[in-house]
Amino acid sequence: DAGVTQSPTHLIKTRGQHVTLRCSPISGHKSVSWYQQVLGQGPQFIFQYYEKEERGRGNFPDRFSARQFPNYSSELNVNALLLGDSALYLCASRAGQLGGTDTQYFGPGTRLTVL
Amino acid sequence: QKEVEQNSGPLSVPEGAIASLNCTYSDRGSQSFFWYRQYSGKSPELIMFIYSNGDKEDGRFTAQLNKASQYVSLLIRDSQPSDSATYLCAVNRGGNNRLAFGKGNQVVVIP
Repeated sequence: DAGVTQSPTHLIKTRGQHVTLRCSPISGHKSVSWYQQVLGQGPQFIFQYYEKEERGRGNFPDRFSARQFPNYSSELNVNALLLGDSALYLCASRAGQLGGTDTQYFGPGTRLTVL
Repeated sequence: QKEVEQNSGPLSVPEGAIASLNCTYSDRGSQSFFWYRQYSGKSPELIMFIYSNGDKEDGRFTAQLNKASQYVSLLIRDSQPSDSATYLCAVNRGGNNRLAFGKGNQVVVIP
């Protein structure tokens, strides 16, 4: 079975532009979460989606938005890019019901560089 | 106070030795605990998860959880050069599946 897939792998943008990152979860998984990892730090939680609804949001500005589609894939959108948005963006897939403690599996990530 | 803290600096261990990593967390309501391995430039890869107090072993890896003291540790036995990576401790608070991560500990295994 394919794991979590993300596209694109790398992306270079300039300040003020917007970006859309995409994620497909593991087949059968219904929950997707997004994390931002800046160099030298652990991932920081951005959003969680389950059954196409937002179920959690981290401490990120409104420039960040996301959605989940009927096939459980997801998009993360970032508007008005800042230099500080340069990071590895990770998508994590989880199988089960809302709540619970089942495991999250990460995709390969999208490396975003803002110039 | 950070939610998850991994304070140790880079850890250098000889090949074949035991590497020991520690992590503390602040929220007593935390329910599940994870260790991820991350190679440079790659995404985190799950190594272990633990939910109950005590030890959990999987191959060369042992996770230890002490909820009363709010710490979780990872032991890597018979360390191999391929174990050289950053190890991330993650905590799931209250079953909401929002993982809080520490900043990671770099492990270097010296042949």
